[in-house]
Amino acid sequence: QKEVEQNSGPLSVPEGAIASLNCTYSDRVSQSFFWYRQYSGKSPELIMSIYSNGDKEDGRFTAQLNKASQYVSLLIRDSQPSDSATYLCAVMNTGNQFYFGTGTSLTVIP
Amino acid sequence: EPEVTQTPSHQVTQMGQEVILRCVPISNHLYFYWYRQILGQKVEFLVSFYNNEISEKSEIFDDQFSVERPDGSNFTLKIRSTKLEDSAMYFCASSGAGEGQETQYFGPGTRLLVL
Repeated sequence: QKEVEQNSGPLSVPEGAIASLNCTYSDRVSQSFFWYRQYSGKSPELIMSIYSNGDKEDGRFTAQLNKASQYVSLLIRDSQPSDSATYLCAVMNTGNQFYFGTGTSLTVIP
Repeated sequence: EPEVTQTPSHQVTQMGQEVILRCVPISNHLYFYWYRQILGQKVEFLVSFYNNEISEKSEIFDDQFSVERPDGSNFTLKIRSTKLEDSAMYFCASSGAGEGQETQYFGPGTRLLVL
């Protein structure tokens, strides 16, 4: 059973702080990793993809991947109230199938 | 910007009835997917479709479910005889092919309620 684990939260951070979201996965051969944001009642919206070990930055978002530890994280700098949502970690297997974690609920407090 | 569209946005049906959920993937994408999300739970993979055939399916995707690409633009999910537990949000997604094209873009979803 391929699993993607996330801390369900809720995670609360004050406006302007750094939010740190974590994800572990069980399938060692996974190669592609994605972070999606999902507002209540809406569809998942892509934030970032990452394929190689290390950090990848896009604006206020930084994804970090460590394949040896089977760990992927998302940092959100200068958190805004509009960042309040559920963040989904998705891991892609060799057959293009995505496995999603249960998501981490983030609340940014003004 | 191109996007995945889905119709209807909401569907209410009686148990045992057939429903068809429709999706128009992004036009130059080659992989198409259906996912479902039961309220308060995680997004679950149902099926992927490539080159006019199913490439992968999950345990959830049993004989009740079928997918079809009836023309060059639409991608449909049919549930033959709906059950109460089929009530969920159904998302269609599409992606390109090849390295770096794996990102799946999701449609807005169809909320299905089975009574």
